[in-house]
Amino acid sequence: AIQMTQSPSSLSASVGDRVTITCRASQGIRNDLGWYQQKPGKAPNLLIYAASSLQSGVPSRFSGSGSGTDFTLTISSLQPEDFATYYCLQDYNYPLTFGQGTKVEIK
Amino acid sequence: QLQLQESGPGLVKPSETLSLTCTVSGGSISSSDYYWGWIRQSPGRGLEWIGTVLYSGGPNYNPSLKSRVTMSVDTSKNQFSLRLSFVTAADTAVYYCVRRRGVTPNWFDPWGQGTLVTVSS
Repeated sequence: AIQMTQSPSSLSASVGDRVTITCRASQGIRNDLGWYQQKPGKAPNLLIYAASSLQSGVPSRFSGSGSGTDFTLTISSLQPEDFATYYCLQDYNYPLTFGQGTKVEIK
Repeated sequence: QLQLQESGPGLVKPSETLSLTCTVSGGSISSSDYYWGWIRQSPGRGLEWIGTVLYSGGPNYNPSLKSRVTMSVDTSKNQFSLRLSFVTAADTAVYYCVRRRGVTPNWFDPWGQGTLVTVSS
């Protein structure tokens, strides 16, 4: 199975900060990667698919980049509603696998 | 707007079978463009993909669970189901039903709200 490694596992940031989360695949996955946001007690929510395509309705401050093994989720200006846990998911082959998550907390 | 809703027992005894149903509303389950699946989440295992199935069959299961998992689709009820046999405490988790786009690019959206299943005697 492809292993997905996210870093950092958690971070503290302030409103307005630029935040970057990385995800590394144990083998090449082209651009078959999605990013999901999860708030406490809620289901994950799709933010980015195909590594860099913004899901409809998601604010443009979210962006994704990368291909192959290295991927990045960037929040250009952190807003109060963005404090949550973020997960990457490889959709390249079965079994589909998630990263362990990055918790974004208020500084 | 498509919505998914899980239902089923919240408590299952060890060695028994966990059974969950997902009801799809706001759209048809009978589309060749989408798969229907299950993902679970527990503190110890994070998010884990269990499997996905097309309305016409042909499931794909996580090899780590394959010997215990069965997924099926009931197009007449617009529902799909998960059965996980011989459960242990390690199967305690929040179970989500999801729709997966079946053509590139793939994604999971929407998700059900999730249902907590506890395995305990």
